[in-house]
Amino acid sequence: AQSVTQLGSHVSVSEGALVLLRCNYSSSVPPYLFWYVQYPNQGLQLLLKYTTGATLVKGINGFEAEFKKSETSFHLTKPSAHMSDAAEYFCAVRRGGGSNYKLTFGKGTLLTVNP
Amino acid sequence: ETGVTQSPTHLIKTRGQQVTLRCSSQSGHNTVSWYQQALGQGPQFIFQYYREEENGRGNFPPRFSGLQFPNYSSELNVNALELDDSALYLCASSLGLAGTSYEQYFGPGTRLTVT
Repeated sequence: AQSVTQLGSHVSVSEGALVLLRCNYSSSVPPYLFWYVQYPNQGLQLLLKYTTGATLVKGINGFEAEFKKSETSFHLTKPSAHMSDAAEYFCAVRRGGGSNYKLTFGKGTLLTVNP
Repeated sequence: ETGVTQSPTHLIKTRGQQVTLRCSSQSGHNTVSWYQQALGQGPQFIFQYYREEENGRGNFPPRFSGLQFPNYSSELNVNALELDDSALYLCASSLGLAGTSYEQYFGPGTRLTVT
């Protein structure tokens, strides 16, 4: 079984500051990992994913995440926050390979960006 | 390319009633997954359909059922509605069999309120 823990239900940063959203996962097999963003009253948009290969993955809107197997982490970062980054962010895990199809999501982190 | 669409956008039902939610998958996608997102929570997997057959189910009771049609659009049916069924229902489409790394593309969701 897979599970995801997102540390901090609410993160507040100033515009231009570093964004760091934390995600730890539990998986008995090599995972596929995802970060999604959800703007108010909208569905989920994929920011980036890790499946295999390079552990540092780059996504849209300047976000990136690093898969650290030893720490079972997949933290999301962005060097400089923009007002438009204010949204809810979800980390998700899926079993890599095999036939396990479902995404298991964390509870989400609400990012607030202050001017 | 048409994205994932869902209807209706909002719905209000009374406890004990039945509801049908609809999803049109992204062009070319043959797999549809449904998720329930309660307020303040991450999405929870309900079930997935691949080529008109159920391909996996989460921890939801049988009163949650679904269909996928030859054009790969899908319906989610919920019988005997309960107050706890109030949530945002998300549909996601993807291409390929379970076990691939194909991303799931989400629709905007249907907001169901049960009174």
